[in-house]
Amino acid sequence: DTAVSQTPKYLVTQMGNDKSIKCEQNLGHDTMYWYKQDSKKFLKIMFSYNNKELIINETVPNRFSPKSPDKAHLNLHINSLELGDSAVYFCATATGKTQYFGPGTRLLVL
Amino acid sequence: GENVEQHPSTLSVQEGDSAVIKCTYSDSASNYFPWYKQELGKRPQLIIDIRSNVGEKKDQRIAVTLNKTAKHFSLHITETQPEDSAVYFCAARKTALIFGKGTTLSVSS
Repeated sequence: DTAVSQTPKYLVTQMGNDKSIKCEQNLGHDTMYWYKQDSKKFLKIMFSYNNKELIINETVPNRFSPKSPDKAHLNLHINSLELGDSAVYFCATATGKTQYFGPGTRLLVL
Repeated sequence: GENVEQHPSTLSVQEGDSAVIKCTYSDSASNYFPWYKQELGKRPQLIIDIRSNVGEKKDQRIAVTLNKTAKHFSLHITETQPEDSAVYFCAARKTALIFGKGTTLSVSS
């Protein structure tokens, strides 16, 4: 279970604040992702990094900025939080095609 | 880009019955099709996957079939048990996993 970890697990914050979510993996995988799961359970890809390089950047507001300081970490910084950003954010890693998810960060914007 | 449709959105079965969930995809270049199970408050967990060069794969009570020509794939769960109750997601991958909208399966005893 600690192969892909995320911090924090829960995040409650006010609109307009800036917050970061961190993801770390010890699987040695080259590719990492951020997904957003909304209240209707829809899992939508946001970003993909391969060897610290941005590969996929879906239609996501530029308030969201991913950063990969090294292969084991992919962080997500969100500026000027809005109510609609409330969701569960999952980090995932992949080796070849098989993808593994982190435990998720539940973000609530008030 | 890839689009994945999943049906039904909810499925209720009696314990011991079979459950079938169907998905279609749009991009013929997609070549990997996993299924994930997500229990309430937990992360999605991979339960079975199939690659585009295979038509069927089975693992105990679960099986997946793939029809590349029709661009659809299905998950079959036999002898369902209450612990199979969860949300199931299909996905298709070319460069990244694109998920269907999920099926909430309820198995009543």
